Parts: sequence; C-alpha cells; structure tokens
Amino acid sequence: DTEVTQTPKHLVMGMTNKKSLKCEQHMGHRAMYWYKQKAKKPPELMFVYSYEKLSINESVPSRFSPECPNSSLLNLHLHALQPEDSALYLCASSQDRHPSYEQYFGPGTRLTVT
Amino acid sequence: QKEVEQNSGPLSVPEGAIASLNCTYSDRGSQSFFWYRQYSGKSPELIMFIYSNGDKEDGRFTAQLNKASQYVSLLIRDSQPSDSATYLCAVNSINTDKLIFGTGTRLQVFP
Repeated sequence: DTEVTQTPKHLVMGMTNKKSLKCEQHMGHRAMYWYKQKAKKPPELMFVYSYEKLSINESVPSRFSPECPNSSLLNLHLHALQPEDSALYLCASSQDRHPSYEQYFGPGTRLTVT
Repeated sequence: QKEVEQNSGPLSVPEGAIASLNCTYSDRGSQSFFWYRQYSGKSPELIMFIYSNGDKEDGRFTAQLNKASQYVSLLIRDSQPSDSATYLCAVNSINTDKLIFGTGTRLQVFP
C-alpha cells in the first residue's frame, strides 16, 4: 500500500484566517514533505521532515508553519495568507531521505485564499 | 541552464502508437530518476523509477537511462487516450538533496 492521505480536499480561507492542512501515511516512511504546486508548474518543495525533525525549509514565509507530531502525521499551519498563496498543496512521503527512495504523493489540498 | 529539462509539448500521438518522452538533467551527481504522471487537477502519481544505465520495463512503460549523456526517457507502448496527462521527470541527487522536477510534458493520445 502506497497511500498518503490529505485533508481537507478543498479549503477556502480569508487572509485573516488560521487553518491547518493534514497529511497521514501508514507506510512506515520516515521522511515527509510539503510541496506547493501552481497551475501548469511542477511541484515546488517547501519543507522536509526526516525522522520527525525539520531538515529542509526552502525559505518559506513564516505564514506557513509545518509540524510533525509523530512519524505518520504532518501538518501545515496557515496564518495570514495572501491570495498568491492559492495553490495545490501536496504532501509526500518516502522511506528515507536518501535520494534512492521514491516519493509518493497524497491527493493534495486545493487552497483558495480570498 | 535548467537542472531538469523537458519539452512542454503537447506531444500528440494516435491511439496504439508509442509515445516517447524525454528528459535531460545537468547534475552529474544525479542518482535516482523518476517519472510521475499527473492528470489535470490531480496529484502526481509515480509510474516508474530507474537508477542504473539501461532499460527498465513495467507493463506498457519502459524507462531508459543514459548517465553519460545525462538523458532519461519514458516510452509508453500501445498508447491509450487514458494516458493523456502531463508527465513529470524528477531527478534526485546527493548534491542537491532534494527531488528536482522538470516542467513536464503534456501528452495527448487521440483515438
């Protein structure tokens, strides 16, 4: 089973709202990722967690705050977003951060900031 | 020079034909090569990965890797209209420590 789940599927939020995106995997993977994807562009890496520790932050604005409560769960807390943050937010996981391991993506959360 | 390059397409092929998708990369330290399929509005789905020079076959898909030429390709045999999607090439390197995506090639298979 290579399933990564994400909730919610869709989210509309105002610029003053606080919301969270959730991601879960039960494959025993120890690396988890957040990506942002705009229309007709490839996924853009935001954060990487390895063994529940943040190992890469791709200079993402502080209005995005990741959290890894345990090895199966990954959250992305959103606060004071801008309309240009509207995108498809993808979670992925891999067995380990080593480059040889393939990443599996969840279905994504379609975020609209109004 | 972009790190991972793909022709954006669209690549149009008739049903039953072989679709050939190409990707070049610049980092000679690249170790792992992945092909993802992405339908419009959906998330990327891993369809093939290859680590060693040569061919790797899985059903109708064949991945080909030539590290000397820094080139990886995906062949889809007996193309079906359901194969119509954007195909993302992704490369992972010990140097960059992250997956680098190409911009994707849009494939259209017409009946």
